[in-house]
Amino acid sequence: DAKTTQPPSMDCAEGRAANLPCNHSTISGNEYVYWYRQIHSQGPQYIIHGLKNNETNEMASLIITEDRKSSTLILPHATLRDTAVYYCIVRVGHGVAGANNLFFGTGTRLTVIP
Amino acid sequence: DGGITQSPKYLFRKEGQNVTLSCEQNLNHDAMYWYRQDPGQGLRLIYYSQIVNDFQKGDIAEGYSVSREKKESFPLTVTSAQKNPTAFYLCASSIGGLYGSPKNIQYFGAGTRLSVL
Repeated sequence: DAKTTQPPSMDCAEGRAANLPCNHSTISGNEYVYWYRQIHSQGPQYIIHGLKNNETNEMASLIITEDRKSSTLILPHATLRDTAVYYCIVRVGHGVAGANNLFFGTGTRLTVIP
Repeated sequence: DGGITQSPKYLFRKEGQNVTLSCEQNLNHDAMYWYRQDPGQGLRLIYYSQIVNDFQKGDIAEGYSVSREKKESFPLTVTSAQKNPTAFYLCASSIGGLYGSPKNIQYFGAGTRLSVL
């Protein structure tokens, strides 16, 4: 099962782009990269996911390297409400068809500074 | 309003008592999940269910039990066998689908914070 490595914390100035890195060097060919975030004392919120190509939605952009061993989540214009813990997840199965379990590590605590 | 509702928001358990956490979803999702989160830690999977009347143990199932009698409901019971139940409990659901499917986006409830008296 592929695991991920993220820096424990990062700061970003309000209005600037926040670039959150993630290493997943053991990712296999059919595993997706998912990003979630968790604002203090709330449930995690889905942000974006991708397989090979870069992806963009209304919340963020996901850049995946060509070898798929790392990725970067980009919040283009960070606001104070983006302060949260960000989880990079490579989908893990338990060997059972249809199992859709996600492994949440400790993530990156992003603090947006006014 | 579609979503996942967890109740209660706060719960207190006495020694030797079983308590049940409620999780209801109106998203018509097949799969549902229970996670436990300790302070400063990530989420750990307790149980999951891919379909009604079926569920599987996750990584830390000991001391917990679940049922899945209805598609929209997946209650979690914290039994007296769980010696350290104080934690933040999160319920999630997803459409389900095959391994590797991008339909595996999980949507989470607001959580229940359980403490021991």
